[in-house]
Amino acid sequence: DAGVTQSPTHLIKTRGQHVTLRCSPISGHKSVSWYQQVLGQGPQFIFQYYEKEERGRGNFPDRFSARQFPNYSSELNVNALLLGDSALYLCASSLVGENTGELFFGEGSRLTVL
Amino acid sequence: QKEVEQNSGPLSVPEGAIASLNCTYSDRGSQSFFWYRQYSGKSPELIMSIYSNGDKEDGRFTAQLNKASQYVSLLIRDSQPSDSATYLCAVNFTGGGNKLTFGTGTQLKVEL
Repeated sequence: DAGVTQSPTHLIKTRGQHVTLRCSPISGHKSVSWYQQVLGQGPQFIFQYYEKEERGRGNFPDRFSARQFPNYSSELNVNALLLGDSALYLCASSLVGENTGELFFGEGSRLTVL
Repeated sequence: QKEVEQNSGPLSVPEGAIASLNCTYSDRGSQSFFWYRQYSGKSPELIMSIYSNGDKEDGRFTAQLNKASQYVSLLIRDSQPSDSATYLCAVNFTGGGNKLTFGTGTQLKVEL
């Protein structure tokens, strides 16, 4: 079975641009979460979606948005990119939507903002 | 602010030794605790979960939880060079849905 897949794997943007990151969860998993990992830090929670509804939002500005589609895949959008948005963006899927930390991570999308 | 604290290391141990990784957390009511392993340039991988006070063993790994002290640890027995990685402690704080709060990770180096 395929694991969590993310695209693109690497991308370079300039300040002020917009980026869309995509994620396909493990088959049968209905919950998708997004995390941002800056070099040398642990992942930081951005969003969780379960059954196409937002179930949690981390401490990120409104420039960050996400959605989940009927097939449970998800997109993370970031507008008006700043240099500080440079990070590894991780998507994680899980079987259930609440009270589990048993997450399966994709390989991530590494964003560089110049 | 709910926090998870780890010593960033690096923690160096000789091959075959026991590696001990420690983590403290701020919310006394937390129920779920996890250890993820992250190799350089890779994504985190779940290696242990623990929900009750005491020890939980899985192969060479043992997770220990002490809720009264707000402390969780990971022991790796017979450490191998392939265990060299960053170990992330994560907590699902009370009412947090699936949200995990991660520590900054402890880098472990197993030396030949």
